[in-house]
Amino acid sequence: SQQGEEDPQALSIQEGENATMNCSYKTSINNLQWYRQNSGRGLVHLILIRSNEREKHSGRLRVTLDTSKKSSSLLITASRAADTASYFCATVESGGSYIPTFGRGTSLIVHP
Amino acid sequence: DAGVIQSPRHEVTEMGQEVTLRCKPISGHDYLFWYRQTMMRGLELLIYFNNNVPIDDSGMPEDRFSAKMPNASFSTLKIQPSEPRDSAVYFCASSPGGKETQYFGPGTRLLVL
Repeated sequence: SQQGEEDPQALSIQEGENATMNCSYKTSINNLQWYRQNSGRGLVHLILIRSNEREKHSGRLRVTLDTSKKSSSLLITASRAADTASYFCATVESGGSYIPTFGRGTSLIVHP
Repeated sequence: DAGVIQSPRHEVTEMGQEVTLRCKPISGHDYLFWYRQTMMRGLELLIYFNNNVPIDDSGMPEDRFSAKMPNASFSTLKIQPSEPRDSAVYFCASSPGGKETQYFGPGTRLLVL
């Protein structure tokens, strides 16, 4: 099954800066999901964007989806030290098992 | 809602011993997933259930691994016998539909000596 690939693998920024992470995939999707994982904890769902949607917002988070380029981006605006975590995208393939497949994640460090 | 509950949170055992990990999904969720996470291999899907029935166990690494879901509110993942390479964090997740948002438990950190 396909797997979303996050880019970059690691990102280090200063508090207050914006952080952008990207996810690319190979086949048609039903939806794409972003999750956050703080060190030593389980994954927490952030945003689900469906294939017919182009952009979604949640607080300081903005997710875009470009199905023609088979890519999605997660933007965290005005980052805080508490945003330090790993961020994963999960893709749900159209016509497949309809089970999300997770990428390897982007490790984000926000320096105070 | 208490969320997905996993027990134990930490487990240290010796090679060859049987290990049983437990999971209580969120009430009303009809999908349950077991994952393993390591630095080397990332997050791997081991098996998932729909309405208590195992649907895909192709991610289960070996016959030493087995999973059951006797009812809608309980699942176990068993490793027998355990080996040092099984050391990882094991997550259980549930969802109200296969393609929908997954809700993860806190994980069980397993160390096999």
